Amino acid sequence: QVQLVQSGSELKKPGASVKVSCKASGYTFTSYAMNWVRQAPGQGLEWMGWINTNTGNPTYAQGFTGRFVFSLDTSVSTAYLQISSLEAEDTAVYYCARDRNTMLRGVINPVGYWGQGTLVTVSS
Amino acid sequence: DIQMTQSPSSLSASVGDRVTITCRASQDINNYLAWYQQKPGKVPKLLIYAASTLQSGVPSRFSGSGSGTDFTLTISSLQPEDVATYYCQKYNRAPPTFGQGTKVEIK
Repeated sequence: QVQLVQSGSELKKPGASVKVSCKASGYTFTSYAMNWVRQAPGQGLEWMGWINTNTGNPTYAQGFTGRFVFSLDTSVSTAYLQISSLEAEDTAVYYCARDRNTMLRGVINPVGYWGQGTLVTVSS
Repeated sequence: DIQMTQSPSSLSASVGDRVTITCRASQDINNYLAWYQQKPGKVPKLLIYAASTLQSGVPSRFSGSGSGTDFTLTISSLQPEDVATYYCQKYNRAPPTFGQGTKVEIK
């Protein structure tokens, strides 16, 4: 069965960096795009972008350029989200989220599977 | 970018009631619309995609309809386990924007 297992909660100081991991199992990792979704406390879902797990090419949503980096280690079927220069406003749960369907050029899919979420808290 | 607007923001209904949530896109998105359910403290779950196709394992009391700019999610008979926030998401082209969510509670 498809599983996305994320790394544990993080408490960071402003200005620090954090790297969240998302280990996939139960399917061919490089056949499905991986999205990242943010949910601030008490707020809705915000799509941060996605990474092509076949080519490693990331696409970032507006507002998530510069300090946010998506990366992969396909040898261990793991996707990563790194956030640098953390700000209090980055406090949120971050989800990795796999497309429902396999990647096709130019096609966007709904999310079929979600990781359990990683809470990143930024506080001095 | 296309904006997705859900209404109402919250609702309270009795067990057994028919519940309808609306999602409106600022431009035509054909039928590239998904609905997700997020129960309190839990991970979102895909309910419906392509506006009206039920994801495997989702109870048949959930249904979706619409095309173009106006879409609805209907719960035909509200159950206690349906207490959740429901989000629509358009995915015709990037960015796949979510609506702001509709919180459903039991009266």
